[in-house]
Amino acid sequence: DTAVSQTPKYLVTQMGNDKSIKCEQNLGHDTMYWYKQDSKKFLKIMFSYNNKELIINETVPNRFSPKSPDKAHLNLHINSLELGDSAVYFCASSQREGSYEQYFGPGTRLTVT
Amino acid sequence: AQSVSQHNHHVILSEAASLELGCNYSYGGTVNLFWYVQYPGQHLQLLLKYFSGDPLVKGIKGFEAEFIKSKFSFNLRKPSVQWSDTAEYFCAVISGDMRFGAGTRLTVKP
Repeated sequence: DTAVSQTPKYLVTQMGNDKSIKCEQNLGHDTMYWYKQDSKKFLKIMFSYNNKELIINETVPNRFSPKSPDKAHLNLHINSLELGDSAVYFCASSQREGSYEQYFGPGTRLTVT
Repeated sequence: AQSVSQHNHHVILSEAASLELGCNYSYGGTVNLFWYVQYPGQHLQLLLKYFSGDPLVKGIKGFEAEFIKSKFSFNLRKPSVQWSDTAEYFCAVISGDMRFGAGTRLTVKP
């Protein structure tokens, strides 16, 4: 059974579109995250979400918005996509926020043309 | 500023060679340390972690890492690498939130 799953695995879209990436974890974890990995493999945290508390990395444009319908899901919605949004997006979860190891999803490769 | 540094951007080794990848952090206070591996086209997987206790930590696939508090380091080692170890390796530190190093690409030649 997949612990952290993401859909879709690949997403190709045009500039200006709005798209969503879904993430689900079946580990019973309290905290979920979104990371962006750029072409140089650099991982940067975008959001963490714990018990309906959202912590935003201030460098993330407000075109990005996480939505959590319940504790097991944290979806990422992106408005008005730009070329620079092309990257691999990883969802992760941890038992609680703070000093707990994180379990990563398989990633979603987003290509904006 | 708090940071995680991986000094080696790309390491190329032959099979059976020994490996050491450097990781230094600049956080003060208590930290939890991790090494993750990302095989080509795959997601990040945890290799090993250090929370407390014995500073020499053994992980999966023959990897180990040593936490040296005085040097703010958590270097990853493996005595004999295999071709299948070719991957990107990320050091990560939690002191509050998790921060990743820039990653080290390891290429093992058969």
